Amino acid sequence: DQQVKQNSPSLSVQEGRISILNCDYTNSMFDYFLWYKKYPAEGPTFLISISSIKDKNEDGRFTVFLNKSAKHLSLHIVPSQPGDSAVYFCAASEGNDMRFGAGTRLTVKP
Amino acid sequence: DTGVSQNPRHKITKRGQNVTFRCDPISEHNRLYWYRQTLGQGPEFLTYFQNEAQLEKSRLLSDRFSAERPKGSFSTLEIQRTEQGDSAMYLCASSLLRGGTNTEAFFGQGTRLTVV
Repeated sequence: DQQVKQNSPSLSVQEGRISILNCDYTNSMFDYFLWYKKYPAEGPTFLISISSIKDKNEDGRFTVFLNKSAKHLSLHIVPSQPGDSAVYFCAASEGNDMRFGAGTRLTVKP
Repeated sequence: DTGVSQNPRHKITKRGQNVTFRCDPISEHNRLYWYRQTLGQGPEFLTYFQNEAQLEKSRLLSDRFSAERPKGSFSTLEIQRTEQGDSAMYLCASSLLRGGTNTEAFFGQGTRLTVV
């Protein structure tokens, strides 16, 4: 059962523009959501998180939005930089294990 | 402490052999997770520990898989009688449960297993 879904396997964006990565979940018990970035041959690196009591969390160029009614979260990167090119995973937790989406490969073109 | 450490980074084994991976979490973290990742997929949950107690196991974790965290610090994941389908990246992560609230998990670099 895939409780966390990232329906776009890839996204290509021009440098300087906004990147929007989307994630949907099915389990309404999830109360903590995270985004990870992964480069080849490395483990995922934590990027930003949001608790279910919030609808927005911002950290520099990265902002995560949570829409609980739609069971949807998104990651906005602005402005996008070539170094942001990586696979991005969203994850959701209900206090115990974390469930991950399949990932979206972001390519930021110079 | 530089983060979560996994050993070995790479392992090639013949089908039918047993393999064991080690994970050293961030020292103050009381939660430790094992995930498996195959090409094109996100990390799939296998099991997690809170201190030395194994609290949850995925149905992906067949009888050939066993994980331990004997002293609540490092953990080992053993796969017995390996099969080619076990080939994957095995990721370990740790986090801190503080006051009933979980924090973000930090991942190691993974152990890439190839079963030939």
